[in-house]
Amino acid sequence: AQKVTQAQTEISVVEKEDVTLDCVYETRDTTYYLFWYKQPPSGELVFLIRRNSFDEQNEISGRYSWNFQKSTSSFNFTITASQVVDSAVYFCALSEASNDYKLSFGAGTTVTVRA
Amino acid sequence: DAGVIQSPRHEVTEMGQEVTLRCKPISGHNSLFWYRQTMMRGLELLIYFNNNVPIDDSGMPEDRFSAKMPNASFSTLKIQPSEPRDSAVYFCASSPALAGVNEQFFGPGTRLTVL
Repeated sequence: AQKVTQAQTEISVVEKEDVTLDCVYETRDTTYYLFWYKQPPSGELVFLIRRNSFDEQNEISGRYSWNFQKSTSSFNFTITASQVVDSAVYFCALSEASNDYKLSFGAGTTVTVRA
Repeated sequence: DAGVIQSPRHEVTEMGQEVTLRCKPISGHNSLFWYRQTMMRGLELLIYFNNNVPIDDSGMPEDRFSAKMPNASFSTLKIQPSEPRDSAVYFCASSPALAGVNEQFFGPGTRLTVL
């Protein structure tokens, strides 16, 4: 069963538009961690954020923000005022104690920002 | 600080040949992971080590795949014999703690093509 669902396969926006990437996860654990990674066209995976299950505070880092809602098992990611450099594949991932904290990745969402 | 180092960055080989991928984790990190990324299956965890000891190799697809970590600063992933379906990008990642509690730092990947 898919533990992390990123329903949006591809999103295309024009520069300066906001874009929100959805991530829905599934777990029975009370302790778990959620992550977002960015994979730009160069191919490397870049860590963006980690959030534990006990911290539902939303987080903002520059143009990036994350909305964690346990009630809906979602950990959505918003890029504000998108730029061409934001073009990448974005992966949401889950680690759970019951799975030895191994990372389960979603399928990824490809974001294309057009100038 | 140097990140995770992988070599080679690209490898093209013929079916039946032995392939060895190499990884140097970030100094001080005691967990190391090997992943495979394909269009069809996304990012899959193959094996992970903690303190140089293999903890979980359930993701290794077949006996043709093997991984070693002889010391804290070096790991190899070997495929023998290689097959065209092994063509993928192989990532190595390291983490300062066990598995997915802390973020994993990924290397640039090795793009393997088996003809």
